[in-house]
Amino acid sequence: EAGVAQSPRYKIIEKRQSVAFWCNPISGHATLYWYQQILGQGPKLLIQFQNNGVVDDSQLPKDRFSAERLKGVDSTLKIQPAKLEDSAVYLCASTPGSGAYEQFFGPGTRLTVL
Amino acid sequence: AQKITQTQPGMFVQEKEAVTLDCTYDTSDQSYGLFWYKQPSSGEMIFLIYQGSYDEQNATEGRYSLNFQKARKSANLVISASQLGDSAMYFCAMRVPGAGSYQLTFGKGTKLSVIP
Repeated sequence: EAGVAQSPRYKIIEKRQSVAFWCNPISGHATLYWYQQILGQGPKLLIQFQNNGVVDDSQLPKDRFSAERLKGVDSTLKIQPAKLEDSAVYLCASTPGSGAYEQFFGPGTRLTVL
Repeated sequence: AQKITQTQPGMFVQEKEAVTLDCTYDTSDQSYGLFWYKQPSSGEMIFLIYQGSYDEQNATEGRYSLNFQKARKSANLVISASQLGDSAMYFCAMRVPGAGSYQLTFGKGTKLSVIP
């Protein structure tokens, strides 16, 4: 069974530029999560999708971050414009349903904002 | 609000020895789940072990066991017979059921280094 796929693995941009990350969850997984992991910290949830609907985006900085999961499968996370403090690893995770206890994580995208 | 505290930024252990990674948590919910994840330098979070708040027995998965002390609100991870491949960051996390949401709250992690 294929795991959670993310691309790109690494991205370097200048501040004020835009960037997008892509995530393809495990086949059949209805719930998808985006986390931000700043160096030296644990992951912090940005947004949770159930199929193509948003369950929780309370910690998503909506003035610059957006995310979508239009067909209930893969998802994109966008930052526009990027700030220096957005430098982090962005992790995508999925579960079969919102009640399942184990989240399966992708390899992450390491973003560096210069 | 939920909080996870990992007080050991870094730990060293000799190969083949056992090591305990500390985790304390804070929540007012009666129903919750506790997790440990391993994050190697490659970046992927790897699930290790899970303990439910109502589970009476401590969880075990191979060389991993979770020392759950509910009254003390602690959920320490014990790794027996450490291997060089165990060198990684280890994160303790808690899940509390919300309104259709099962979010994980993570601690800051402990960096484990296994010495040959």
